Amino acid sequence: QVQLVESGGRVVQPGRSLRLSCAASGFTFSAYALHWVRQPPGKGLEWVAVISYDGTNEYYIDSVKGRFTISRDNSKNTLFLQMNSLRAEDSAVYYCARSEAVLYNMDVWGQGTTVTVSS
Amino acid sequence: DIQMTQSPSTLSASVGDRVSITCRASQSISSWLAWYQQKPGKAPKLLIYKASSLESGVPSRFSGSGSGTEFTLTISSLQADDFATYYCQQYNSYSTFGQGTKVEIK
Repeated sequence: QVQLVESGGRVVQPGRSLRLSCAASGFTFSAYALHWVRQPPGKGLEWVAVISYDGTNEYYIDSVKGRFTISRDNSKNTLFLQMNSLRAEDSAVYYCARSEAVLYNMDVWGQGTTVTVSS
Repeated sequence: DIQMTQSPSTLSASVGDRVSITCRASQSISSWLAWYQQKPGKAPKLLIYKASSLESGVPSRFSGSGSGTEFTLTISSLQADDFATYYCQQYNSYSTFGQGTKVEIK
């Protein structure tokens, strides 16, 4: 079945780096744009970044520009989020989600992975 | 940046009630709006896209309307399974979510 599975979340100190992964199965990975969306504890959803189906276009929310990098490996059906210079306010559940285009709704979501930034 | 404002933030209702949630955009987004349902500890689930198109498998008691800057999600007859938090999302310019509306049992 169509599935996205995130991994890589853990407790990390402020200023450190972390890479999240999202493994896809059950669909043609290279045909879809992919997003990262986060949700701080007890709060709402916040879109973080999106990458086009072929990896040539990337867009980010202002608060992570220059610190986070979204990438994908279409040969391994895997999406990544490289997070550098982490801050306490980056603590959240991070979801990956697919969409038919960069500017579109998200029809399949992973279960999320938790990032906690704390000393 | 486009801001999305949902109202109300919390809605108390009973099974069988007709409920509506409003989402307003800070500028026109045409019909590039989606609605999601999220239950505690779970990922969001797509309900409505392009403002009024029902996602496959979603019950027909859910409907969406609106265009431009004002949108509405309506549940025609609230069921026990519908108590959850609902989010709107614009995708006219990058992506932005509303702050959410929690539908709770009255």
